[in-house]
Amino acid sequence: GAGVSQSPRYKVAKRGQDVALRCDPISGHVSLFWYQQALGQGPEFLTYFQNEAQLDKSGLPSDRFFAERPEGSVSTLKIQRTQQEDSAVYLCASWGEGTYEQYFGPGTRLTVT
Amino acid sequence: KQEVTQIPAALSVPEGENLVLNCSFTDSAIYNLQWFRQDPGKGLTSLLLIQSSQREQTSGRLNASLDKSSGRSTLYIAASQPGDSATYLCAVRPLSGGSYIPTFGRGTSLIVHP
Repeated sequence: GAGVSQSPRYKVAKRGQDVALRCDPISGHVSLFWYQQALGQGPEFLTYFQNEAQLDKSGLPSDRFFAERPEGSVSTLKIQRTQQEDSAVYLCASWGEGTYEQYFGPGTRLTVT
Repeated sequence: KQEVTQIPAALSVPEGENLVLNCSFTDSAIYNLQWFRQDPGKGLTSLLLIQSSQREQTSGRLNASLDKSSGRSTLYIAASQPGDSATYLCAVRPLSGGSYIPTFGRGTSLIVHP
């Protein structure tokens, strides 16, 4: 595709609900990152995929967070039993090989009430 | 652990001024540095990417410089316009083998008023 897309753009969840956030990277980009961005902060790394392999998940804040990319393209970030502290913008980025320039999606704003 | 600091945190200027935004990092072993723009409620838009071997990059009214030895990058915006109002973030990708996780600064929030 022309750029990185994410859905939904906005999600309101009640505390305890499970949510799934989707990311469609740029076609052909093998590397995909998920970030969490709190208000007034820079993006914080969550997890990284190269094709379908999850090479690093050290940034996931708890075992309630799970990410997958089964076919090496679309990725889903799942949060189980959401808590208020999960409220943030979740950003997805892919990057091109060679230059490693990051391209970001518009993000999903998650609000847990 | 890499730390990235952006100064100032916020800036408000009249239209037409030339601006300098600063980004400093503690570990000079970097692969590249990337400047982004983020509009409210939106994702990050790449502005300029500087590889570690480069000293500067230019795009239109934007110029970014990189001084690895001193751990600094500056983003220069010439003849600022109200449409430049946004948050500007820098991100540093490490050089060390196998590590690819970029570290972001907290950003500089810029308002250009007419």
